[in-house]
Amino acid sequence: SQQGEEDPQALSIQEGENATMNCSYKTSINNLQWYRQNSGRGLVHLILIRSNEREKHSGRLRVTLDTSKKSSSLLITASRAADTASYFCATDTGNQFYFGTGTSLTVIP
Amino acid sequence: NAGVMQNPRHLVRRRGQEARLRCSPMKGHSHVYWYRQLPEEGLKFMVYLQKENIIDESGMPKERFSAEFPKEGPSILRIQQVVRGDSAAYFCASSPGAGNGYTFGSGTRLTVV
Repeated sequence: SQQGEEDPQALSIQEGENATMNCSYKTSINNLQWYRQNSGRGLVHLILIRSNEREKHSGRLRVTLDTSKKSSSLLITASRAADTASYFCATDTGNQFYFGTGTSLTVIP
Repeated sequence: NAGVMQNPRHLVRRRGQEARLRCSPMKGHSHVYWYRQLPEEGLKFMVYLQKENIIDESGMPKERFSAEFPKEGPSILRIQQVVRGDSAAYFCASSPGAGNGYTFGSGTRLTVV
C-alpha cells in the first residue's frame, strides 16, 4: 500500500514543548503534505514539501523530507493548547494522494 | 472565494436508502477527489475526477458506490442501498492540477441507522 504511516499514533506534551511527528511511505512521490484536523472538523492544509526539497519552514512548523529513507517529519515548536488536533501526512504521486492514519496530538495547558 | 463546499454537513439514512453527497470545488479548480474517513481511522482515497471524467476510481467499492463530476454543477458521490458500514465522514478536495496542493471541504458525516 502507498499509504503513509505516522508515528507516534498519539502524543501528549506540555504547552511550550516541541512536538515531533514522523511519516513513512512506500513508493516514489512528487511531494508530501501535512494536514491538521481538529475534532469533528475538516482538514486544513499546513505545508507542502516537494520531492527535491529537504526542509521547509512555515511559522512554528518545520518539515523535513528524506526521500532515500522515504520519511518525513513535522516539528511544531513552542506548542500551544490550540495545536491539539490530529495531524496527517499525505503523499502525492501525481495522480492521487494518500493519507496516513494520523498522529493525535494533545497539548496540555 | 468560498472554498470547497460540501453538503449536507450531516446526513442520516436508513439501511437500504440512497445517499447523495455533493461537492462544489473551489473556483478555478477542475480536479476533485473524494475520501472516506471511518471512525478512528485515517482518510482513504476513493476516487479522482476531472470535469466529466473519472481519472482514478481504484479506491471505490465495486458495488453501490458511484461518482460523477458533470460539466455543470457539483461533483456527486452516490451510495445506493446504504448499510451501517457506510457510516463515515466523506471529504472532498479540489485542486487546480495535480501536485499543487489540495483544498478540502468540511466533509459530510453520513450516519446509517
